[in-house]
Parts: sequence; C-alpha cells; structure tokens
Amino acid sequence: SQQGEEDPQALSIQEGENATMNCSYKTSINNLQWYRQNSGRGLVHLILIRSNEREKHSGRLRVTLDTSKKSSSLLITASRAADTASYFCATDRSMQGAQKLVFGQGTRLTINP
Amino acid sequence: EPEVTQTPSHQVTQMGQEVILRCVPISNHLYFYWYRQILGQKVEFLVSFYNNEISEKSEIFDDQFSVERPDGSNFTLKIRSTKLEDSAMYFCASRETAYGYTFGSGTRLTVV
Repeated sequence: SQQGEEDPQALSIQEGENATMNCSYKTSINNLQWYRQNSGRGLVHLILIRSNEREKHSGRLRVTLDTSKKSSSLLITASRAADTASYFCATDRSMQGAQKLVFGQGTRLTINP
Repeated sequence: EPEVTQTPSHQVTQMGQEVILRCVPISNHLYFYWYRQILGQKVEFLVSFYNNEISEKSEIFDDQFSVERPDGSNFTLKIRSTKLEDSAMYFCASRETAYGYTFGSGTRLTVV
C-alpha cells in the first residue's frame, strides 16, 4: 500500500459524537500533516505534528503520532455538521531541500444532524 | 494571514489546447509546488521548484508540463497540449522552511 493510508475510507456519525480517523505510512518522516477538504474545494491545513512529538491539540482537534508504528490519528471531539468534509493525512520527509507531501486517500466524514 | 492565490478558479479548455494556470505564492516563501487531484481521488504531487529550478518531478509531470517563475512573484504551470485525462483540480502550494505548507484554493481544469 502507499504512503499515507487513511482508514476508515468513510465515516458517518451523529452530531456531538467524536470522530477518529487513522493514517498509516511506510517511510520515516519529518512531520505529518492533516488537511480538510470540503467537497470540490481547496485544501485547508489543520494541524502539523513533528516526528519528535507524540500528541498535539488545536481546539477540538487532537492528533497523535506513533513513529514506532508509523501511524497517526486525528480525533475531532464534539463533532458539528460543519465538520462534514474529507480529511487527508500527508507525510513530509523534508529535512532539507524542496521535498514534497505525500497524501493518503482520505476519509470522507459525514456528520448527521 | 498570507495566502497563496490561484487564478482562474475554473478553466474549461478544448483538448489539444495549451493552458496556463497561475499562482502567486506567499512572498517570503522559497519552495513552490504543484499538486493535482482528479475528481474523487487523492492529491498527487506534480513538481517542486526551488531556486529557480525544478527540484523534483513526478512521473505525471511529462514533457507536456512546464513550470515557470517569470517575475519573482508568479508561479505558473503550463500544459502544452491538454488531454481529457488532465481534467483535475490543480493546487499550488508554497512553504518557507521545512514546515508549514500553504495551499491555494485550486484551479479546476476541465478538458472537453
């Protein structure tokens, strides 16, 4: 499988519940980033976690990183209808130079009111 | 907050025509990128650009594609002879250091 695989591919929950999305990757990374994309729209950067960090919070978002398992999770607490979107993890192997982000397939999250 | 600006937001072109997609990266950023996303699929890397030259390109970025930073502010992606399969959302991104990519809102290219 490719770098940055998310699961589940689709997740549907009720408003107010927590949503957890997972991402696995294969190579060593400098950092891992999560992005949100509303249908047909641009990519919005949510949060970046560096390889030497294990957990990071931003508002209702909580990201964990386990470099030994090469996996990350994104938790959205107290979900809202406006959180409905696709969520992508992207790995960055940049240490120096231009490098690039490698995106996963994404998780399509639907929050039901 | 600084933004990466892409124009146009939507372009329709006939197969075989040349298109130029334009991007204005954040002014103090050093690294520039083009990515694309075919409808319903994942975002794919096309090319990275640093110090006025291509740093890396993917196998998608064949001879039909080229990039340019003509005037120190714009960053363009040219597709010489468009094919139906070039229809996708094209995203420009820039970053200053090893962290902090900023993406534009994309150009939706439709080849008919």
